[in-house]
Amino acid sequence: SDVLTQPPSVSVAPGQTASITCGGSNLGSKDVHWYQQKTGQAPVLVMFDDDDRPSGTPERFSGSNSGITASLTIARVEAGDEADYYCQVWAGSRDHPRVVFGGGTRLTVL
Amino acid sequence: EVQLVESGGGLVQPGGSLRLSCVAPESTLTNFWMSWVRQAPGQGLEWVANIKEDGSEKFYADSVQGRFSIYKNNANNTLFLQMNALRLDDTAFYFCAREGLGELFFDSWGQGTLVTVSS
Repeated sequence: SDVLTQPPSVSVAPGQTASITCGGSNLGSKDVHWYQQKTGQAPVLVMFDDDDRPSGTPERFSGSNSGITASLTIARVEAGDEADYYCQVWAGSRDHPRVVFGGGTRLTVL
Repeated sequence: EVQLVESGGGLVQPGGSLRLSCVAPESTLTNFWMSWVRQAPGQGLEWVANIKEDGSEKFYADSVQGRFSIYKNNANNTLFLQMNALRLDDTAFYFCAREGLGELFFDSWGQGTLVTVSS
């Protein structure tokens, strides 16, 4: 089955680099997308198709997909980056597609 | 990113029904697939259902199949989620979300509406 595994939490000091991972089988054959959700707000797309940034996402954000693990990396972390981050893929079949989200990672800026 | 506005949430008893609405900018519903995604309080995101631009295809998560129905009124720019036979574990914030053009991600989200199923 398609399960995306994320660490529940990641902590980083301001100015440092945060890496949030998303593990799953056959990730190399899928496009991984990432969302940022701040407390009390709706999710916002911050990365799509593994490593493409929507307009509005700072260049400090980057993505990668090694085939087993996808990662969202945030360089020079700022207090405003504190949020929950979710990875997402489409799975299933053409006749029975499914959207799969990871469990989410809480990024804490120390 | 476009503005999506949900409404219709509230308190309902187990076994009851509720209909959620999502108003989108003109032409959004006719040009994009649309989804409903929910989030139980303090929990992660769960996709619920989606509908094709022309309404000809609809897909549902296993957890809601047979109980929920997604449909839309393009003339009124409104997406709906009819929820029947509600259960305690349907309690969640429900977001409508636009799928990227020809893409499999969600590039716009509403602010969500809270559905509470409780006796």
